[in-house]
Amino acid sequence: QKEVEQNSGPLSVPEGAIASLNCTYSDRGSQSFFWYRQYSGKSPELIMFIYSNGDKEDGRFTAQLNKASQYVSLLIRDSQPSDSATYLCAVNIVYGNKLVFGAGTILRVKS
Amino acid sequence: EAGVVQSPRYKIIEKKQPVAFWCNPISGHNTLYWYRQNLGQGPELLIRYENEEAVDDSQLPKDRFSAERLKGVDSTLKIQPAELGDSAVYLCASSSEGRGADYGYTFGSGTRLTVV
Repeated sequence: QKEVEQNSGPLSVPEGAIASLNCTYSDRGSQSFFWYRQYSGKSPELIMFIYSNGDKEDGRFTAQLNKASQYVSLLIRDSQPSDSATYLCAVNIVYGNKLVFGAGTILRVKS
Repeated sequence: EAGVVQSPRYKIIEKKQPVAFWCNPISGHNTLYWYRQNLGQGPELLIRYENEEAVDDSQLPKDRFSAERLKGVDSTLKIQPAELGDSAVYLCASSSEGRGADYGYTFGSGTRLTVV
């Protein structure tokens, strides 16, 4: 079992819709969870982080965390073509003070 | 504040040749990470430094890869000799001491290596 798993996609949504990206992780001791956005040919950019169960909102982005289910999600409301990118889920690994990344989900927003 | 600076941006070499990548972290960041990202995959940690000490190099292929961070500031990652399978993007990241995994960290622009 991989430490962080994501559906590779691509996930296609129409402009203005809600995009829902999901991630599961295996380390029950993990405390910090991150979403990075990566445009083609660019390096990953941190867009959201969450530590507590529940929802965290930042503009059009909402991160959701359920530690009991070991599940993290990212919702993007009013999706725009500029949101088209690969979204990487990252989880801290307690024993190593490092982030472990999933393989990423490709999001395509069609106008 | 300048971000994490990496060079070169691109590198094309023939297999069996050596190659080196350079990284200068954000000023004051004591922790430095080297990640490798293969096409279609997420970044994978190669080595983590706390100041000048390599504290996690378990994923570094030591037969051909080496890294150093003299004086605890900038760092160099070297591959000798390079193999076709080393083609990837090499990313450097930095964070304040002990905070990287808690608050996330910032990546440099990366070096795209192509081995032919």
